[in-house]
Amino acid sequence: NAGVTQTPKFQVLKTGQSMTLQCAQDMNHNSMYWYRQDPGMGLRLIYYSASEGTTDKGEVPNGYNVSRLNKREFSLRLESAAPSQTSVYFCASNRNWDSSYEQYFGPGTRLTVT
Amino acid sequence: SQELEQSPQSLIVQEGKNLTINCTSSKTLYGLYWYKQKYGEGLIFLMMLQKGGEEKSHEKITAKLDEKKQQSSLHITASQPSHAGIYLCGAGLTGSARQLTFGSGTQLTVLP
Repeated sequence: NAGVTQTPKFQVLKTGQSMTLQCAQDMNHNSMYWYRQDPGMGLRLIYYSASEGTTDKGEVPNGYNVSRLNKREFSLRLESAAPSQTSVYFCASNRNWDSSYEQYFGPGTRLTVT
Repeated sequence: SQELEQSPQSLIVQEGKNLTINCTSSKTLYGLYWYKQKYGEGLIFLMMLQKGGEEKSHEKITAKLDEKKQQSSLHITASQPSHAGIYLCGAGLTGSARQLTFGSGTQLTVLP
């Protein structure tokens, strides 16, 4: 049981390049999330998928697209990377409990855009 | 996020000292979560509080949620270098979609 896995762990891109961050969970969770973490800003929600087949914008969606490929996998795509997207990206998942928001996090992807 | 204020932003304590980190919102907190993060790593779940007045402890860490469910504190007793890291509070501020809003984090340094 690996929990939440993310690939790659590190990535350096040039401005304008594109890439996809991969996330998978093996806990049979319904909901999945993408966050970015910047110094002094905490975690900010980019996109989320409340259940398989649905995706919605979070707090900072501009410049990103997502795909909920199946119940296990939720990918984040940067179509044309910008230096402002230099950040650490975390994927998370949780069960769809009625009264719980507990989220399990992946180890993160450290992205640098030059 | 300004919806969830965490204080202090950073804290440097001598090993063996007690410390408290606070997490405050003007909105009702639908579940309050404390996470710890070490540099370059993901978030490690510490504790979850749901009911007003609830208090939980694990080893030397105690978390409380006030009766109004708008403020939580994390208290570490007799701190150790292993407690060093970034502490983040996260809470549900909306009633749907299972979204967590996070505080900006508290960087804790414990000097040996």
